Amino acid sequence: DAGVTQSPTHLIKTRGQHVTLRCSPISGHKSVSWYQQVLGQGPQFIFQYYEKEERGRGNFPDRFSARQFPNYSSELNVNALLLGDSALYLCASSLRGHNSGNTIYFGEGSWLTVV
Amino acid sequence: AQSVTQLDSQVPVFEEAPVELRCNYSSSVSVYLFWYVQYPNQGLQLLLKYLSGSTLVESINGFEAEFNKSQTSFHLRKPSVHISDTAEYFCAVSDQVSRTGGSYIPTFGRGTSLIVHP
Repeated sequence: DAGVTQSPTHLIKTRGQHVTLRCSPISGHKSVSWYQQVLGQGPQFIFQYYEKEERGRGNFPDRFSARQFPNYSSELNVNALLLGDSALYLCASSLRGHNSGNTIYFGEGSWLTVV
Repeated sequence: AQSVTQLDSQVPVFEEAPVELRCNYSSSVSVYLFWYVQYPNQGLQLLLKYLSGSTLVESINGFEAEFNKSQTSFHLRKPSVHISDTAEYFCAVSDQVSRTGGSYIPTFGRGTSLIVHP
């Protein structure tokens, strides 16, 4: 079975541009969450979606947005990119939401470099 | 807000030696604790987790961690490491305080780089 798949794997953008990152969860999983991992740090929670509804939002500016589609895949959008947005963006899926330790499975991430 | 402290940013060790990666958290309520491993250029993989019950949890590849409520710690140990254990290890905690929208969102530590030398 395929795991969590993310695209693109690497991309370079310039400041002020917009980026869209995509994620396909494990088949049967209805929850998708997004994390930002800056070099040398642990992942920071950005969003969680379950059954196409936003169920959680981390401490990120409004430039960050996301959505989940009927097939449970998801997009993360970042507008007006800043140099500080350079990071590995991780998508994770689980059967349900992050409920009482429900196991989440991570994709390999999308490396975003903003120049 | 809860926080997770991984006291060592890097832990160098020789192959077949024992290792302990330390993790402390701040939370006054019931917690769920996790260790994730990240190999170079890969995403995170769940290594083991504590939800309830026995305070000692084990992974399939020889790692174990013990939940110590009084010391608010969840240290990861392995009695004999291999070269292939070289990776970044992240401790994470979620509790009812971090529950948002019906979900428990884990807070991750900054990670500990385990470097196993031959």
